[in-house]
Amino acid sequence: GAVVSQHPSRVICKSGTSVKIECRSLDFQATTMFWYRQFPKQSLMLMATSNEGSKATYEQGVEKDKFLINHASLTLSTLTVTSAHPEDSSFYICSARDRAGQTQYFGPGTRLLVL
Amino acid sequence: ELKVEQNPLFLSMQEGKNYTIYCNYSTTSDRLYWYRQDPGKSLESLFVLLSNGAVKQEGRLMASLDTKARLSTLHITAAVHDLSATYFCAGGPTGTASKLTFGTGTRLQVTL
Repeated sequence: GAVVSQHPSRVICKSGTSVKIECRSLDFQATTMFWYRQFPKQSLMLMATSNEGSKATYEQGVEKDKFLINHASLTLSTLTVTSAHPEDSSFYICSARDRAGQTQYFGPGTRLLVL
Repeated sequence: ELKVEQNPLFLSMQEGKNYTIYCNYSTTSDRLYWYRQDPGKSLESLFVLLSNGAVKQEGRLMASLDTKARLSTLHITAAVHDLSATYFCAGGPTGTASKLTFGTGTRLQVTL
């Protein structure tokens, strides 16, 4: 099946720094990728939809200036958490939609801890 | 706006028993998904249900979809410990290009 990777898998950073998370579709082209965040013991919340070659679409309540998304190619989307604060600590998961559009394949997730 | 609710939120069951997880959604959804998540891990796709009356089975898990009732079920037959995980259903609102809304999740614990 289709494989989606994320890097890094885990990151610890100081408050005020920026962190970039990469999401790659390894064996298929993804015109659309999605970014989710998940707090402990909670469900996944969609943050934004990342479209190759165009601006991301953010969900209500998600600050676009804080969570910068770039989808520069058909296999790579990046999420940058700018000026991270402890409340940004979470599990960030990306997914990529295959061309048929019926299935989303999820990356392994990135655990972010902001001290 | 699509809302997806699951129940129960937590389920403890003995090995060998059967049980059903319910997933209700509020408005029309093009499709319904079931995912499994192990602690500290990402999501594993279990089933994609695309039409009313769809039924899919894989091992001890069987998923069904009733679009008229806006209800999907995940039935567990003769549970084994390896099925312990959190199960999420997710719906895709009509015309939103694969955007998914996730349910609250059901944490399943299968005891020996």
